[in-house]
Amino acid sequence: DIVMTQGALPNPVPSGESVSITCRSSKSLLYSDGKTYLNWYLQRPGQSPQLLIYWMSTRASGVSDRFSGSGSGTDFTLKISGVEAEDVGVYYCQQGLEFPYTFGAGTKLELK
Amino acid sequence: EVQLQQSGPELRRPGSSVKLSCKASGYSITDYLMHWVKHRPEHGLEWIGWIDPEDGETKYAQKFQSKATLTADTSSNTAYMQLSSLTSEDTATYFCARGAYGTSLDYWGQGVMVTVSS
Repeated sequence: DIVMTQGALPNPVPSGESVSITCRSSKSLLYSDGKTYLNWYLQRPGQSPQLLIYWMSTRASGVSDRFSGSGSGTDFTLKISGVEAEDVGVYYCQQGLEFPYTFGAGTKLELK
Repeated sequence: EVQLQQSGPELRRPGSSVKLSCKASGYSITDYLMHWVKHRPEHGLEWIGWIDPEDGETKYAQKFQSKATLTADTSSNTAYMQLSSLTSEDTATYFCARGAYGTSLDYWGQGVMVTVSS
């Protein structure tokens, strides 16, 4: 199985600061169609996960442009420009290249 | 508006089974794959499998191959997951989620808590 490893944040983070969440995969997620099958989700406290980014860098419908995704085949970053109270929760990366689809363990964002 | 409405919390004895439902509204379930995901706070998110409601094709993660059975009823626009031979390891919140671009999951149900206890 592809292992997804996420980094931690220096919580708590001051409101308005920009943060980057890292994710690394044990195998390249770049497919022959030129797309990278890496997705990002936010699970707010008490809620279901919400899709933020798919294909590594494409924002999902309705997602704030404060969120941006980037990376290579195995190393990925989700950047939040100017964190706000509504950004608090756990962020997950997920690979959709191979079965079984796998998630990272999650990165918690807390606000100061 | 797309919504996935899941059934209520379940309490089951070890060795029993449970069938969870996920009723879709705002779209036809035959147009998208339906995925199921397990969540335990100490284990994070685990992908269980998907079903194509149009033809009933399923795909499971190997560790859930003999644990979960995915079905769908197109007449009621509802997907189901049955979990069998329940143990304490199956105590978790289970989500259904619609498959979208890049094998992402764009809409999620509210989740259903399953507790296995004697």
